[in-house]
Amino acid sequence: EVQLVESGGGLVKPGGSLRLSCAASGFAFSSCSMNWVRQAPGKGLEWVSSISASGTYVYYADSLKGRITISRDNAKSSLFLQMNSLGVEDTAVYYCARDKYSNPAMGVDVWGQGTTVTVSS
Amino acid sequence: DIQLTQSPSFLSASVGDRVTLTCRASQGIGTYLAWYQQKPGKAPKLLIYSASTLQGGVPSRFSGSASGTEFTLTISSLQPEDFATYYCQQLNSYPLTFGGGTKVEVK
Repeated sequence: EVQLVESGGGLVKPGGSLRLSCAASGFAFSSCSMNWVRQAPGKGLEWVSSISASGTYVYYADSLKGRITISRDNAKSSLFLQMNSLGVEDTAVYYCARDKYSNPAMGVDVWGQGTTVTVSS
Repeated sequence: DIQLTQSPSFLSASVGDRVTLTCRASQGIGTYLAWYQQKPGKAPKLLIYSASTLQGGVPSRFSGSASGTEFTLTISSLQPEDFATYYCQQLNSYPLTFGGGTKVEVK
């Protein structure tokens, strides 16, 4: 079964850091470009970051650039998102998601269940 | 950055209705557009990619079309399981962006 399972979310104080992880299974992870998408409570979807299959190319949302780093470990079929200098506006459910056919132009066809990040003092 | 404007934001409809949702891009994106359905507490689900190609397993009552920078998602006969929020996403260039969503509610 194709599956993405996120972890690492939780409660963090403003200014803190968090590292999200996504464990992939059931498909050739090393061949797939991947994404992080978030959704603040009661709000719409917001694209956060993307990474190519090899990890060579990375892309970030302007609002988060400089505070986040996307990475992957293909040997362990894992995707990561390091988030620093967190603010209350970063409170959201963070989804790990796979590009269809490893082609970013095709949309995202597999999503994890999400991990919740809450930034509060 | 490319902005996507979805309309309407809310739509009240009844089972059996034909509904049309619109997504307008701030500049040309070709057919690099996807549509997703999201139900409360769940991850989004890919419905349509490349503006008009139906994702495998998605009912044929869903269809997508494009005309210039305007894209539409049509549900030909609304079913009870279709009440949800729908999002478009442009995949033409980074940063990727989503529209604000259209919530389809029971009339």
